[in-house]
Amino acid sequence: AQSVTQPDIHITVSEGASLELRCNYSYGATPYLFWYVQSPGQGLQLLLKYFSGDTLVQGIKGFEAEFKRSQSSFNLRKPSVHWSDAAEYFCAVGAGNNDMRFGAGTRLTVKP
Amino acid sequence: GAGVSQSPRYKVAKRGQDVALRCDPISGHVSLFWYQQALGQGPEFLTYFQNEAQLDKSGLPSDRFFAERPEGSVSTLKIQRTQQEDSAVYLCASSLGQSILAFFGQGTRLTVV
Repeated sequence: AQSVTQPDIHITVSEGASLELRCNYSYGATPYLFWYVQSPGQGLQLLLKYFSGDTLVQGIKGFEAEFKRSQSSFNLRKPSVHWSDAAEYFCAVGAGNNDMRFGAGTRLTVKP
Repeated sequence: GAGVSQSPRYKVAKRGQDVALRCDPISGHVSLFWYQQALGQGPEFLTYFQNEAQLDKSGLPSDRFFAERPEGSVSTLKIQRTQQEDSAVYLCASSLGQSILAFFGQGTRLTVV
């Protein structure tokens, strides 16, 4: 079965600084990859997804992620963080049988 | 409705009590998923429906957990004889057809005291 590792439990960045959240996956075939964001008391909102094709995918709110097969990674990036980006971020990997597995999440704190 | 709707948003249950959590998926979405999210953790898969058929229930942690979707739309997750370790947020998600692209509800926070 597929699995996901998010190595960073908590990251703090200053507003306006760049951001990179790491995600590594384990899966035998080409995976479906997702990033979700969860604000306190809210459900999961999809930021972006990778199914196939261009390995650099653009998402909402200025986020992007790059699929690197050789590194089994799907890191999330944003060039300039806003205070409203403070939230919990989850990477997920899906298989063709609709089985989606999530990482443990990375909590992002944004300093003024 | 426009999104996945879950009710209640919050539920406090005494240990040993039975609870029922409801999920209204996006209209027309064939697939429905339940996840359990413990505090500080990512969501863990519980079960998956395609229409009214429960195709995968491998994530249900014990036989106290039961899910149904009798008419292929609304789903109910039932937990019998709740235990403290059942305290978590229960998330429901739905997707169109067999797409794995799922949309999540806001969840039900269950606290067992």
